[in-house]
Amino acid sequence: DIVMTQSPDSLAVSLGERATINCKSSQSVFHSSNNKNYLAWYQQKPGQPPKLLIYWASTRKSGVPDRFSGSGSGTDFTLTISSLQAEDVAVYYCQQYYGPPLTFGPGTKVDIK
Amino acid sequence: QITLKESGPTLVKPTQTLTLTCTFSGFSLNTSGVGVGWIRQPPGKALEWLALIYWNDDKRYSPSLKSRLTITKDTSKNQVVLAMTNMDPVDTATYYCAHTDGYLGRFDPWGQGTLVTVSS
Repeated sequence: DIVMTQSPDSLAVSLGERATINCKSSQSVFHSSNNKNYLAWYQQKPGQPPKLLIYWASTRKSGVPDRFSGSGSGTDFTLTISSLQAEDVAVYYCQQYYGPPLTFGPGTKVDIK
Repeated sequence: QITLKESGPTLVKPTQTLTLTCTFSGFSLNTSGVGVGWIRQPPGKALEWLALIYWNDDKRYSPSLKSRLTITKDTSKNQVVLAMTNMDPVDTATYYCAHTDGYLGRFDPWGQGTLVTVSS
């Protein structure tokens, strides 16, 4: 199984400042057949189901604000919120779909400082 | 617009079998590449993928739970059913179903989830 880890466990950022979340996979999720990284990012607000933000490691889903961006390749990935807004308070999960089995990271909680 | 909704018991006893139904709209499980997955989340904990069924009846299961899980589809009713045997209190969680396409395993969107408590 591909094990996903995230860092930090939680972070508090001032409004308007940058938030950076890291995700690491225990083996590469890059598929050379299509040059894509099988990595997605989700946002989960309290009491709500997760919402897909980014897929293929860096493709923003339509309608997701452009302050959210994804980067990385192979085993190391990053989700960046360029200017934190109050509505971004949530837990963020990475997920590899190179699998199966499909696996999620443990989550990173983002709060306002 | 794609929507999914989970239904089933909110309380089950240890050793019982849990049966959950995902009723969806806005897509067809007859369409190539489309699938429905189940994911659970214990209170305050992370997400755990359970099972996935595709339009062609290809089924995938979490290896750690495979012996306890069965996923089936009824395309005429737009439903996917997940059965989990031998329930234990550690299986207490919110159970989500979610749509996937492209014969992939990324999920969008998700249902609202249903909280299942396992207790005698």
